[in-house]
Amino acid sequence: AQKVTQAQTEISVVEKEDVTLDCVYETRDTTYYLFWYKQPPSGELVFLIRRNSFDEQNEISGRYSWNFQKSTSSFNFTITASQVVDSAVYFCALSGTSTDSWGKLQFGAGTQVVVTP
Amino acid sequence: GAVVSQHPSRVICKSGTSVKIECRSLDFQATTMFWYRQFPKQSLMLMATSNEGSKATYEQGVEKDKFLINHASLTLSTLTVTSAHPEDSSFYICSARDLGFSGNTIYFGEGSWLTVV
Repeated sequence: AQKVTQAQTEISVVEKEDVTLDCVYETRDTTYYLFWYKQPPSGELVFLIRRNSFDEQNEISGRYSWNFQKSTSSFNFTITASQVVDSAVYFCALSGTSTDSWGKLQFGAGTQVVVTP
Repeated sequence: GAVVSQHPSRVICKSGTSVKIECRSLDFQATTMFWYRQFPKQSLMLMATSNEGSKATYEQGVEKDKFLINHASLTLSTLTVTSAHPEDSSFYICSARDLGFSGNTIYFGEGSWLTVV
């Protein structure tokens, strides 16, 4: 069975502070994909990143960075110099890679990020 | 622009009636689509896997007779909530698998807010 744990329910920061969102996952699959999505109040899911289990390199995209550590089954997400527009719920998700499981996402509970001016 | 379109974005229906939500892939053929439900302040939960030309596969605990899924073409899956009740009020969102030459990708629709009164 797959499981994604986002232990932080809500994180409040002041603008320009950094914020790190934790994600821990469980899977019996030897290959899998990990995702992060942003969900603003309007509801749509904004894709942020997809990471293959084979690729443990950390990634940076603008103010966003991701730390994938297979040894601890974690895929943490950091927003540097946060802005008010970053306020949203962020979801970590996991998918298998087989024909049946690819794209079938197991989501974490989500972390609400509140950035105040 | 959106590659997966979902309609309607918001719908209000009376208790006891049925409501249909459409999920269309615009630029690719999607043999497999997924339907998720999200209650307020909760995570997204997979309801079912929609397969073109065959019966949908429902997750445990999801009533297949209440949530009818039809995937009659390679670009359209529909979710019909039958005999809707207020407890069915939720955010419903679909995703589609694109197994194109550029790589496997998942696209989400914009989501549909259902309110049953």
